[in-house]
Amino acid sequence: DIQMTQSPSSLSASVGDRVTITCRASQYISTYLNWYQQYPGKAPKLLIYAASTLQSGVPSRFSGSGSETDFTLSISSLQADDFATYYCQQSYTVPRTFGRGTKLEI
Amino acid sequence: QVQLQESGPGLVKPSGTLSLACVVSDDSFRSDNWWSWVRQPPGRGLEWIGEIFHNGNTNHNPSLEKRVTISVDNPTNQFSLRLTSVTAADTAVYFCARRMPRYGHFDSWGPGTLVTVSS
Repeated sequence: DIQMTQSPSSLSASVGDRVTITCRASQYISTYLNWYQQYPGKAPKLLIYAASTLQSGVPSRFSGSGSETDFTLSISSLQADDFATYYCQQSYTVPRTFGRGTKLEI
Repeated sequence: QVQLQESGPGLVKPSGTLSLACVVSDDSFRSDNWWSWVRQPPGRGLEWIGEIFHNGNTNHNPSLEKRVTISVDNPTNQFSLRLTSVTAADTAVYFCARRMPRYGHFDSWGPGTLVTVSS
């Protein structure tokens, strides 16, 4: 299985900050990397797919980059409703695997 | 905007069988998408269980493969999950989701349903 390692596991920030979350795959996945946002008790929401493509309706303050094994999710200016948990996921091969999540806290 | 909705018992006895269904709201069910099950134990991360295409082709997580069956019912736009020999470790919120064909991302999710394994 491809292991997805996210860091940090938690992150404290303030409204207006710029934050970056990293995700590393244990082997080559090209740009088959997706990012999700999840609130407690809710389903994950797709933010970015194919490493850098913003899903329709997602604010432009979210951006993704990377390829092969190293990827980042950046939020340019944190808003109040960005405080959630973020997951990366590889779609290069089966089994589809997720990172363990990054909890973004105030 | 496609909608997905899970249904099934919220409580299953240890060693029993967990059975869930997911209904898809539109005809994207019979297009090139894959239909997946993902679970999340309380307070933990996401685990992909498996997926099915409308023609019945499936992929499974090897960690669960011996206990998992995923099936499809095209006339009703539904797909189902069956997990046998459950233990407390199978207690989780179970989500169904649509996986897009080209880049493989999960773009639409059901709200999830909590299944507790307990006697």
